[in-house]
Amino acid sequence: DIQVTQSPSSLSASVGDRITITCRASQTIINYLNWYQQKPGKAPELVIYAASSLQDGVPSRFSGSGSGTDFTLTISSLQPEDFATYYCQQSYSTPQTFGQGTKVEIK
Amino acid sequence: EVQLVQSGAAVKKPGESLKISCQGSGYIFTDYWIGWVRQMPGKGLEWMGITYVGGSDIRYSPSFRGQVTISVDRSITTAYLQWGSLQASDTAIYYCARQRDYGSGNWGMDVWGQGTTVTVSS
Repeated sequence: DIQVTQSPSSLSASVGDRITITCRASQTIINYLNWYQQKPGKAPELVIYAASSLQDGVPSRFSGSGSGTDFTLTISSLQPEDFATYYCQQSYSTPQTFGQGTKVEIK
Repeated sequence: EVQLVQSGAAVKKPGESLKISCQGSGYIFTDYWIGWVRQMPGKGLEWMGITYVGGSDIRYSPSFRGQVTISVDRSITTAYLQWGSLQASDTAIYYCARQRDYGSGNWGMDVWGQGTTVTVSS
């Protein structure tokens, strides 16, 4: 199985801050990397697919980058509705493993 | 509206069987894969497996193979996840999600069900 490791596991930030979350795969996954947002008590939602493509309806302050084994999710100016847990997922091979999650909290 | 609607919460005893459902609507059900994801209390997401609704391809995570069964009834646009003998460690929220092909081999879970809470307790 391909392992995906996210960092940090949690972070505290203020509204308006720029934040970056990192995901590292245990082997190359080309650009087969997705990012999801999950708010408490809700189902996850797809934010970024194919490492850098914005899912329909997702604000442009979200962006993704990377290829091979190292990827990042950036929120350029954190908004109150962005406080949530974010997961990366590799879709290169089954099982399509998720990272352990990064909880973004209000400072 | 494209949506996946899951069956309601279930409370079961260890050793009992269970089948939960996920009904799709608003899109051509047989054109997509459906995946299942587990979230144990206070924990992260775990990919369990996926099935191609238009065919017979089913792929399980090694962690869940032999523990659960994924199936589909195309006639009622419904996917299922079932257990033959539940354990307390199966207590979790289970999500179904549509797997969309974005091209060039890129896949993403773009539509999610609301989740089904399964509680296994004696």
